Amino acid sequence: EAQVTQNPRYLITVTGKKLTVTCSQNMNHEYMSWYRQDPGLGLRQIYYSMNVEVTDKGDVPEGYKVSRKEKRNFPLILESPSPNQTSLYFCASSLMQNTEAFFGQGTRLTVV
Amino acid sequence: AQTVTQSQPEMSVQEAETVTLSCTYDTSESDYYLFWYKQPPSRQMILVIRQEAYKQQNATENRFSVNFQKAAKSFSLKISDSQLGDAAMYFCAYRSAYNQGGKLIFGQGTELSVKP
Repeated sequence: EAQVTQNPRYLITVTGKKLTVTCSQNMNHEYMSWYRQDPGLGLRQIYYSMNVEVTDKGDVPEGYKVSRKEKRNFPLILESPSPNQTSLYFCASSLMQNTEAFFGQGTRLTVV
Repeated sequence: AQTVTQSQPEMSVQEAETVTLSCTYDTSESDYYLFWYKQPPSRQMILVIRQEAYKQQNATENRFSVNFQKAAKSFSLKISDSQLGDAAMYFCAYRSAYNQGGKLIFGQGTELSVKP
């Protein structure tokens, strides 16, 4: 089954404790993105990648890092999480930049 | 920069009735794509319908159709014969045809409830 898989789905952590949210797709897609969803703001792009070793900032990149060492994986790294990063996070992938985006199941992150 | 606005935070419809969700956008580009996504309580983002800006014909997917007014920069979603399973958050989204990375720009969302 074609899918984007995120882990974990729920995470509660403390301020400053480094964490990684994993994202993997099995569709051989070139493009991958991370979004955060906040009430009243919709989804906003954090980072994106157009291919292996090619990443760039989206609209809200502060406090986040990403890497694309393999085509299928695109982890989101929070080196020192803060409470304002409490949010719902989505990973998405698409074959090309103008084709349908497939979303993961979402990760609910709470930073206390 | 492009923006997408959904001015209705919440909407309600009676089962089997028709409801229209509004979306306006701002862009100076001539080529782009517009989408409506559904997010049920499961949080999964589900593509409902897609419209290419160069196509004049309004997209339709079963009970879902859009009214695309390019000059007015309006992209509303009509749901006919509403069903209980249509209850969800709906997001309107814009994607430039020129943007690297295929970024989707989302509106704030409209929470749709369906009354039996």
